[in-house]
Formats: sequence, structure tokens, C-alpha cells
Amino acid sequence: GQSLEQPSEVTAVEGAIVQINCTYQTSGFYGLSWYQQHDGGAPTFLSYNALDGLEETGRFSSFLSRSDSYGYLLLQELQMKDSASYFCAVRDRQGGKLIFGQGTELSVKP
Amino acid sequence: DAGITQSPRHKVTETGTPVTLRCHQTENHRYMYWYRQDPGHGLRLIHYSYGVKDTDKGEVSDGYSVSRSKTEDFLLTLESATSSQTSVYFCAISDKGGTYEQYFGPGTRLTVT
Repeated sequence: GQSLEQPSEVTAVEGAIVQINCTYQTSGFYGLSWYQQHDGGAPTFLSYNALDGLEETGRFSSFLSRSDSYGYLLLQELQMKDSASYFCAVRDRQGGKLIFGQGTELSVKP
Repeated sequence: DAGITQSPRHKVTETGTPVTLRCHQTENHRYMYWYRQDPGHGLRLIHYSYGVKDTDKGEVSDGYSVSRSKTEDFLLTLESATSSQTSVYFCAISDKGGTYEQYFGPGTRLTVT
């Protein structure tokens, strides 16, 4: 089977940097995605890593180490609007679907 | 934003009644998905479709059926609703070969009493 683990909650202050980790166990690996969800609204896609290394998109970066079955989402210059739930997800080996982690609730404090 | 709508947005129904949720897209995307979201469980895949009349089960498919007769519509049916199916249901679409980037609809909040 496939499983993902990420912390349930993270708290940080405005302007700081926070890292949300994700470890996974899969029978075949095809990439790690990250999604953001505000207050039960529609999840939105943030990033995707198929290869090892860091992908940067503005204040957000995502890292992948396939040998360690590990990835993280890095949020810099935190803003209050970054308070949300963040989900990592892996592609199923058949390629047609994603398996999501249980999500990390990020609270940004003033 | 991807053109995805879900209907109804809210529904309260009684145990044992059939319920159908609709997902409609205007993007002509090949893949469509139904997820449920419950506290502490993240997003769990119920069923998905990889083309008209082509569907497959997800991790929590028991008690649910789906149909896709047109590219733009994907229906989720609860044949006989139970209280354990009280949840928020999200539809998603994808058209990239890897399906790693999915676009989600606004969700349907279903309460089974």
C-alpha cells in the first residue's frame, strides 16, 4: 500500500520561515505534489517534484529526496494569509490518481 | 480558475435515501475525480474517471457509484445514504499526463441524518 505522513499542526510567526515535512511509503514513486486549502475551501495546487532537488515558486519552495522518501514544503516571509492546511500527495503507480496525506494545519501568528 | 461546478452545494438527507451529486466542468479535461474529506483523514479518493464511460474505484468506494456519460459531467451516487457518508465531497479534474496537478471544485457539504 501507500502512505504519507506529515505533521498535523505547525505554528509560526509572520515574516518567519516554516518547513512542512512529508515522508511517504509507496510501491512505486512518480512524484510528490503539494496543495493548499483555506478553511475547507477548494484545495489548490502549489507545486510538483518528480526529481530530487528544490523547486522554487515565489515565496514557496518544495524539495524532494527520493532516496529518503522525503519531501518538504518551505514557506518564506510568512503572511497571515498563509494560514491554511497543506497536503502532500503522491501519484499512484498506475498514474491515474493521487494519494493524499492527512494535511498539516499551519497557523501564522502576528 | 478552472471551470468546475458542483451541485448541490449543500444537502441534508435522511438515512436510506438515494443521493446524487453532480460535477460539471467546462475545461474538456480527461480525468475527473470524486473525493471525500473528513476531519483527520485528509482527502480520500472515492472513484475516478479517465474518459467517458471509463471509471475506476478509489480507496473508499464502498456505498458509492459513479457515471460519466459526457466529458463534462461526472455523477456520484449514494445508493442508500448512511450517517457515515456525512462529509464534504470534492470533485477534481486533471488533463496532464501525470495527473499530479488537479483542479478542485468548491465542494458539496452532505449531511445524512
